[in-house]
Amino acid sequence: QQQVKQSPQSLIVQKGGISIINCAYENTAFDYFPWYQQFPGKGPALLIAIRPDVSEKKEGRFTISFNKSAKQFSLHIMDSQPGDSATYFCAASDAGNNRKLIWGLGTSLAVNP
Amino acid sequence: DAGVIQSPRHEVTEMGQEVTLRCKPISGHDYLFWYRQTMMRGLELLIYFNNNVPIDDSGMPEDRFSAKMPNASFSTLKIQPSEPRDSAVYFCAISRGFSGNTIYFGEGSWLTVV
Repeated sequence: QQQVKQSPQSLIVQKGGISIINCAYENTAFDYFPWYQQFPGKGPALLIAIRPDVSEKKEGRFTISFNKSAKQFSLHIMDSQPGDSATYFCAASDAGNNRKLIWGLGTSLAVNP
Repeated sequence: DAGVIQSPRHEVTEMGQEVTLRCKPISGHDYLFWYRQTMMRGLELLIYFNNNVPIDDSGMPEDRFSAKMPNASFSTLKIQPSEPRDSAVYFCAISRGFSGNTIYFGEGSWLTVV
């Protein structure tokens, strides 16, 4: 049973466009929501993370929007660049589950030049 | 990536053979994780250690899988006997603390069982 549902599975965006990846969860005890970025042949690396006490967090061109009532959070990549082409994973954890990260299945992003 | 060194990077083996994947983490961490990644199932946590002690191995798929961490600088994941469905990328990862802290992944070991 997948506790974090990620969509879309793949995404193609033109250079300069906005990439949007969405995640939904069921467990209301989740209180930490990171996004990881993975390039081909590499391991995932933390990109940005948010806790539910804020509705938005921005780091450069990357923004997490968090909607607690809808149990959804999303990653927005502004001014998308070919170098952003990678697989993006959302995840969630809660203290009650020993803080194990529950992962989405990933979104493969391709940014066309 | 530089915080975790995995070997081998690529391995092709025949069904039934024993496979040992190795992980050398940097010092200063207290949690070590083994993940498996496939297209169908995404990232799966197999097992994790805290201060070299296995804490949760509920993700280990079968008795054919075993993991050890004899010291803070070394861990192994063993599959015996291997099967084609074990083909995947296996990641070792570390973190300092566990409560919402960053997990640092190695570059992975790409396993193909034929």
